[in-house]
Amino acid sequence: GAVVSQHPSWVICKSGTSVKIECRSLDFQATTMFWYRQFPKQSLMLMATSNEGSKATYEQGVEKDKFLINHASLTLSTLTVTSAHPEDSSFYICSASPQGRIGTEAFFGQGTRLTVV
Amino acid sequence: DAKTTQPPSMDCAEGRAANLPCNHSTISGNEYVYWYRQIHSQGPQYIIHGLKNNETNEMASLIITEDRKSSTLILPHATLRDTAVYYCIVRVETGRRALTFGSGTRLQVQP
Repeated sequence: GAVVSQHPSWVICKSGTSVKIECRSLDFQATTMFWYRQFPKQSLMLMATSNEGSKATYEQGVEKDKFLINHASLTLSTLTVTSAHPEDSSFYICSASPQGRIGTEAFFGQGTRLTVV
Repeated sequence: DAKTTQPPSMDCAEGRAANLPCNHSTISGNEYVYWYRQIHSQGPQYIIHGLKNNETNEMASLIITEDRKSSTLILPHATLRDTAVYYCIVRVETGRRALTFGSGTRLQVQP
């Protein structure tokens, strides 16, 4: 199956700093990638859709100025949590599907555990 | 995407078959049934999907009722590594839209 890689797997940062999370499709191209957030004991919630070469689409209630998404190439999307606060501590997960393949399953990164102290 | 209903939790003995049910009574004709699982602190993993025929792969079997209003994921010989949250998702067959995750079924495989 296709591989999606996230980096870092975990990060601890101080309140007020920014953190960048990378999501790479290793063996396929993806014009669209998705970013999810998961709080403890809850399900995954879609945050935003990352579109290569254009602006991301954010779900209702997700601040676009706080969660900056850049999808500069067909294999890389980044999520930057700006001015992080403890309430942003969560498990962030990205996913992608191979471009041009209709009917394909989604592949997920291993997730990034963010802890803001 | 059609709504799905799954039991919140199930137990299964190691080595036995795990049968995970899912109700999707409002499924449309062009919607597929997908199963994913999430092992603790990892990203979700694709298991299997189907439209109306039963499907089998190296991980599991998917049985879809004739009226397509429910389905069952079968792990034929559960191991401790199958302990995870299993998500049943109904959607049209495209990778261009995000998945909508419900609360899933937490499967605990017991030694």
